[in-house]
Amino acid sequence: SAVISQKPSRDICQRGTSLTIQCQVDSQVTMMFWYRQQPGQSLTLIATANQGSEATYESGFVIDKFPISRPNLTFSTLTVSNMSPEDSSIYLCSALTSNSYEQYFGPGTRLTVT
Amino acid sequence: QKEVEQDPGPLSVPEGAIVSLNCTYSNSAFQYFMWYRQYSRKGPELLMYTYSSGNKEDGRFTAQVDKSSKYISLFIRDSQPSDSATYLCAILTGGGNKLTFGTGTQLKVEL
Repeated sequence: SAVISQKPSRDICQRGTSLTIQCQVDSQVTMMFWYRQQPGQSLTLIATANQGSEATYESGFVIDKFPISRPNLTFSTLTVSNMSPEDSSIYLCSALTSNSYEQYFGPGTRLTVT
Repeated sequence: QKEVEQDPGPLSVPEGAIVSLNCTYSNSAFQYFMWYRQYSRKGPELLMYTYSSGNKEDGRFTAQVDKSSKYISLFIRDSQPSDSATYLCAILTGGGNKLTFGTGTQLKVEL
Protein backbone atom coordinates (compact mmCIF):
# COMPACT_ATOMS: atom_id res chain seq x y z
CA SER A 1 0.00 0.00 0.00
CA ALA A 2 0.96 3.68 -0.09
CA VAL A 3 0.44 6.48 2.41
CA ILE A 4 -0.37 9.80 0.79
CA SER A 5 -0.32 13.24 2.37
CA GLN A 6 -1.62 16.51 0.97
CA LYS A 7 -0.99 20.13 1.81
CA PRO A 8 -2.89 22.23 2.60
CA SER A 9 -5.76 20.28 4.09
CA ARG A 10 -8.08 23.20 3.48
CA ASP A 11 -7.99 26.79 2.30
CA ILE A 12 -10.25 29.72 1.66
CA CYS A 13 -9.17 31.80 -1.32
CA GLN A 14 -10.37 34.87 -3.12
CA ARG A 15 -11.54 34.68 -6.70
CA GLY A 16 -8.87 35.44 -9.27
CA THR A 17 -6.05 33.99 -7.19
CA SER A 18 -4.26 30.65 -7.54
CA LEU A 19 -3.59 27.83 -5.09
CA THR A 20 -1.00 25.09 -5.35
CA ILE A 21 -1.76 21.77 -3.67
CA GLN A 22 1.07 19.40 -2.83
CA CYS A 23 0.89 15.62 -2.79
CA GLN A 24 3.56 13.42 -1.21
CA VAL A 25 3.66 9.62 -1.32
CA ASP A 26 5.72 7.60 1.15
CA SER A 27 7.07 5.26 -1.54
CA GLN A 28 7.81 5.30 -5.24
CA VAL A 29 4.69 4.80 -7.31
CA THR A 30 4.11 4.26 -10.99
CA MET A 31 1.29 6.71 -11.54
CA MET A 32 -0.23 9.67 -9.76
CA PHE A 33 -3.63 11.22 -10.38
CA TRP A 34 -5.61 14.29 -9.42
CA TYR A 35 -9.36 14.14 -8.82
CA ARG A 36 -12.06 16.63 -7.96
CA GLN A 37 -15.01 15.80 -5.71
CA GLN A 38 -17.74 18.39 -5.68
CA PRO A 39 -20.33 18.45 -2.89
CA GLY A 40 -22.72 15.52 -3.17
CA GLN A 41 -20.99 14.19 -6.25
CA SER A 42 -18.54 11.49 -7.05
CA LEU A 43 -14.89 11.73 -7.94
CA THR A 44 -13.97 13.13 -11.34
CA LEU A 45 -10.51 12.57 -12.75
CA ILE A 46 -8.77 15.84 -13.66
CA ALA A 47 -5.51 14.48 -15.00
CA THR A 48 -2.78 11.89 -14.75
CA ALA A 49 0.49 13.36 -13.50
CA ASN A 50 3.35 12.00 -15.59
CA GLN A 51 6.86 12.05 -14.23
CA GLY A 52 9.14 14.17 -16.36
CA SER A 53 6.52 15.10 -18.94
CA GLU A 54 3.29 17.00 -19.34
CA ALA A 55 0.22 15.73 -17.53
CA THR A 56 -2.56 13.97 -19.41
CA TYR A 57 -5.82 15.86 -18.96
CA GLU A 58 -9.35 14.51 -19.08
CA SER A 59 -12.06 16.07 -21.18
CA GLY A 60 -13.19 19.35 -19.67
CA PHE A 61 -9.92 20.09 -17.90
CA VAL A 62 -7.10 22.16 -19.38
CA ILE A 63 -3.50 22.80 -18.47
CA ASP A 64 -3.89 26.56 -18.22
CA LYS A 65 -6.49 26.16 -15.50
CA PHE A 66 -4.97 23.15 -13.71
CA PRO A 67 -1.21 23.05 -14.27
CA ILE A 68 0.35 19.93 -12.79
CA SER A 69 3.92 19.04 -12.02
CA ARG A 70 5.53 15.74 -11.08
CA PRO A 71 9.26 16.20 -10.63
CA ASN A 72 9.90 12.72 -9.20
CA LEU A 73 8.25 9.40 -8.38
CA THR A 74 6.83 10.45 -5.01
CA PHE A 75 5.69 14.07 -5.39
CA SER A 76 3.20 16.06 -7.44
CA THR A 77 1.51 19.44 -7.35
CA LEU A 78 -1.79 20.68 -8.73
CA THR A 79 -2.39 24.40 -9.17
CA VAL A 80 -5.91 25.77 -9.42
CA SER A 81 -5.49 29.00 -11.38
CA ASN A 82 -7.59 32.13 -11.60
CA MET A 83 -10.10 30.66 -9.20
CA SER A 84 -13.82 31.26 -9.23
CA PRO A 85 -16.48 30.07 -6.76
CA GLU A 86 -17.22 27.16 -9.12
CA ASP A 87 -13.77 25.78 -8.26
CA SER A 88 -14.87 25.24 -4.65
CA SER A 89 -14.42 21.52 -4.20
CA ILE A 90 -12.33 18.81 -2.62
CA TYR A 91 -9.18 18.01 -4.58
CA LEU A 92 -7.74 14.54 -4.11
CA CYS A 93 -4.42 13.08 -5.07
CA SER A 94 -4.09 9.35 -5.69
CA ALA A 95 -1.32 6.95 -6.59
CA LEU A 96 -1.07 3.59 -8.24
CA THR A 97 1.52 1.16 -6.92
CA SER A 98 3.57 -0.92 -9.31
CA ASN A 99 2.25 -4.29 -10.48
CA SER A 100 -1.11 -3.54 -8.97
CA TYR A 101 -4.47 -2.06 -9.77
CA GLU A 102 -4.81 -0.72 -6.25
CA GLN A 103 -5.18 3.03 -6.28
CA TYR A 104 -4.70 4.84 -2.97
CA PHE A 105 -5.97 8.31 -2.09
CA GLY A 106 -4.76 11.19 -0.01
CA PRO A 107 -7.01 12.89 2.56
CA GLY A 108 -7.98 15.67 0.16
CA THR A 109 -7.73 19.44 0.09
CA ARG A 110 -10.97 21.28 0.78
CA LEU A 111 -10.99 24.49 -1.24
CA THR A 112 -13.47 27.31 -0.82
CA VAL A 113 -13.37 30.24 -3.22
CA THR A 114 -15.11 33.43 -2.16
CA GLN B 1 -26.57 7.39 -19.27
CA LYS B 2 -23.73 7.37 -16.76
CA GLU B 3 -21.14 4.65 -17.14
CA VAL B 4 -21.57 3.67 -13.50
CA GLU B 5 -24.84 4.07 -11.63
CA GLN B 6 -25.14 3.88 -7.88
CA ASP B 7 -28.06 4.68 -5.60
CA PRO B 8 -26.93 7.64 -3.46
CA GLY B 9 -29.08 6.67 -0.48
CA PRO B 10 -28.98 7.57 2.33
CA LEU B 11 -29.38 4.05 3.62
CA SER B 12 -30.09 3.62 7.31
CA VAL B 13 -29.91 0.20 8.99
CA PRO B 14 -29.84 -1.07 12.58
CA GLU B 15 -26.63 -2.42 14.06
CA GLY B 16 -26.09 -6.07 13.16
CA ALA B 17 -28.02 -5.90 9.90
CA ILE B 18 -26.73 -7.20 6.59
CA VAL B 19 -26.15 -4.32 4.20
CA SER B 20 -26.32 -4.63 0.44
CA LEU B 21 -24.78 -1.89 -1.70
CA ASN B 22 -25.09 -2.04 -5.46
CA CYS B 23 -23.81 -0.56 -8.71
CA THR B 24 -24.62 -1.13 -12.35
CA TYR B 25 -22.34 -0.32 -15.24
CA SER B 26 -22.72 -0.04 -18.97
CA ASN B 27 -19.25 -0.61 -20.45
CA SER B 28 -18.41 -4.24 -21.15
CA ALA B 29 -14.71 -3.27 -21.26
CA PHE B 30 -14.73 -2.77 -17.52
CA GLN B 31 -12.81 -5.61 -15.93
CA TYR B 32 -11.69 -4.58 -12.44
CA PHE B 33 -14.19 -3.69 -9.76
CA MET B 34 -13.31 -1.80 -6.61
CA TRP B 35 -15.12 -0.72 -3.50
CA TYR B 36 -13.97 2.29 -1.56
CA ARG B 37 -15.16 3.57 1.81
CA GLN B 38 -15.07 7.29 2.50
CA TYR B 39 -15.60 8.72 5.94
CA SER B 40 -16.73 12.31 6.24
CA ARG B 41 -13.90 14.75 5.44
CA LYS B 42 -11.49 11.94 4.58
CA GLY B 43 -10.11 10.50 1.36
CA PRO B 44 -11.51 7.26 -0.09
CA GLU B 45 -10.06 4.09 1.40
CA LEU B 46 -9.77 0.97 -0.76
CA LEU B 47 -11.77 -1.88 0.80
CA MET B 48 -11.39 -4.59 -1.79
CA TYR B 49 -11.33 -5.30 -5.47
CA THR B 50 -12.03 -8.17 -7.78
CA TYR B 51 -11.75 -8.86 -11.48
CA SER B 52 -13.90 -11.88 -12.07
CA SER B 53 -17.52 -12.82 -11.77
CA GLY B 54 -18.41 -14.41 -8.47
CA ASN B 55 -17.78 -13.59 -4.84
CA LYS B 56 -14.74 -12.39 -2.94
CA GLU B 57 -14.80 -12.34 0.83
CA ASP B 58 -12.73 -10.30 3.30
CA GLY B 59 -13.88 -10.49 6.89
CA ARG B 60 -17.36 -9.03 7.15
CA PHE B 61 -17.24 -7.75 3.57
CA THR B 62 -18.17 -9.67 0.42
CA ALA B 63 -17.84 -8.26 -3.07
CA GLN B 64 -19.96 -9.84 -5.77
CA VAL B 65 -19.69 -9.33 -9.51
CA ASP B 66 -22.13 -10.46 -12.19
CA LYS B 67 -20.60 -9.52 -15.53
CA SER B 68 -23.51 -10.92 -17.53
CA SER B 69 -25.85 -8.43 -15.83
CA LYS B 70 -23.19 -5.71 -15.39
CA TYR B 71 -24.05 -5.61 -11.72
CA ILE B 72 -21.75 -5.41 -8.71
CA SER B 73 -22.56 -5.59 -5.03
CA LEU B 74 -20.91 -5.14 -1.67
CA PHE B 75 -22.38 -6.97 1.30
CA ILE B 76 -21.54 -6.03 4.87
CA ARG B 77 -22.40 -8.60 7.52
CA ASP B 78 -23.00 -7.75 11.17
CA SER B 79 -22.89 -4.04 10.39
CA GLN B 80 -21.42 -1.73 13.02
CA PRO B 81 -21.83 2.01 13.67
CA SER B 82 -18.20 2.37 12.54
CA ASP B 83 -19.32 1.21 9.09
CA SER B 84 -21.26 4.47 8.72
CA ALA B 85 -19.65 6.12 5.70
CA THR B 86 -20.11 6.66 1.99
CA TYR B 87 -19.34 3.61 -0.14
CA LEU B 88 -18.12 4.17 -3.66
CA CYS B 89 -17.90 1.60 -6.38
CA ALA B 90 -15.15 2.18 -8.93
CA ILE B 91 -14.47 0.32 -12.12
CA LEU B 92 -11.37 0.03 -14.26
CA THR B 93 -11.04 -0.92 -17.90
CA GLY B 94 -8.67 -3.75 -18.69
CA GLY B 95 -5.17 -2.48 -19.36
CA GLY B 96 -6.13 1.02 -18.28
CA ASN B 97 -5.55 3.12 -15.21
CA LYS B 98 -8.59 5.33 -15.25
CA LEU B 99 -11.10 4.62 -12.51
CA THR B 100 -14.74 5.44 -13.16
CA PHE B 101 -16.60 6.05 -9.93
CA GLY B 102 -20.21 5.75 -8.95
CA THR B 103 -21.76 8.62 -7.03
CA GLY B 104 -21.48 6.74 -3.73
CA THR B 105 -24.08 5.40 -1.29
CA GLN B 106 -24.26 7.03 2.12
CA LEU B 107 -24.72 4.40 4.82
CA LYS B 108 -25.70 4.99 8.42
CA VAL B 109 -25.66 2.13 10.91
CA GLU B 110 -27.66 3.01 13.97
CA LEU B 111 -27.37 1.63 17.50
